[in-house]
Amino acid sequence: GAVVSQHPSRVICKSGTSVKIECRSLDFQATTMFWYRQFPKQSLMLMATSNEGSKATYEQGVEKDKFLINHASLTLSTLTVTSAHPEDSSFYICSAPSAGGTDTQYFGPGTRLTVL
Amino acid sequence: QKEVEQNSGPLSVPEGAIASLNCTYSDRGSQSFFWYRQYSGKSPELIMSIYSNGDKEDGRFTAQLNKASQYVSLLIRDSQPSDSATYLCAVNMMNTGNQFYFGTGTSLTVIP
Repeated sequence: GAVVSQHPSRVICKSGTSVKIECRSLDFQATTMFWYRQFPKQSLMLMATSNEGSKATYEQGVEKDKFLINHASLTLSTLTVTSAHPEDSSFYICSAPSAGGTDTQYFGPGTRLTVL
Repeated sequence: QKEVEQNSGPLSVPEGAIASLNCTYSDRGSQSFFWYRQYSGKSPELIMSIYSNGDKEDGRFTAQLNKASQYVSLLIRDSQPSDSATYLCAVNMMNTGNQFYFGTGTSLTVIP
């Protein structure tokens, strides 16, 4: 299957700082990528749809000024958590639809964010 | 009503038994259905996709789709302890730009 990478895999930061998470499609181009958040023992929650060359589309209740998304190229989307607080601690996962005309989503390995 | 619903479990089966996981969805026009497996602390990995009514088999896994009843299921034959994980049902609903709707997942434990 298609490969999606994320960096970093784990980050610990102080409250009030900003954290950038990268999502890359390694062997295919993705005009669209998705960002999810998952709290312990809960399901995936879609945060936003990242669109190459245009603004991201945010789900209801997700603050676009706090979670900045930039889809700068066909293989890279970044999520920046600005002024992070402990309640932002979560598992952040990106996904991208595979190439070749199918709509299968492939997930990155995830980024564990801990805000102290 | 949630777009995709699953029984959260936990579901426990003995090793070697068949595990049956079920999922219902709300959008009758949905065309694509997926089962993902997620181990604790890891991201989901694709197990199977199914697009047409009926059964689709891949090794020990069989996906079943019934669009008229709006349900999709996953059977795991000869369950192994390594199958213990949370199984997520995902549906790509019509006209959502490849956006997936996920169920809350069913936790499966295979008892040795």
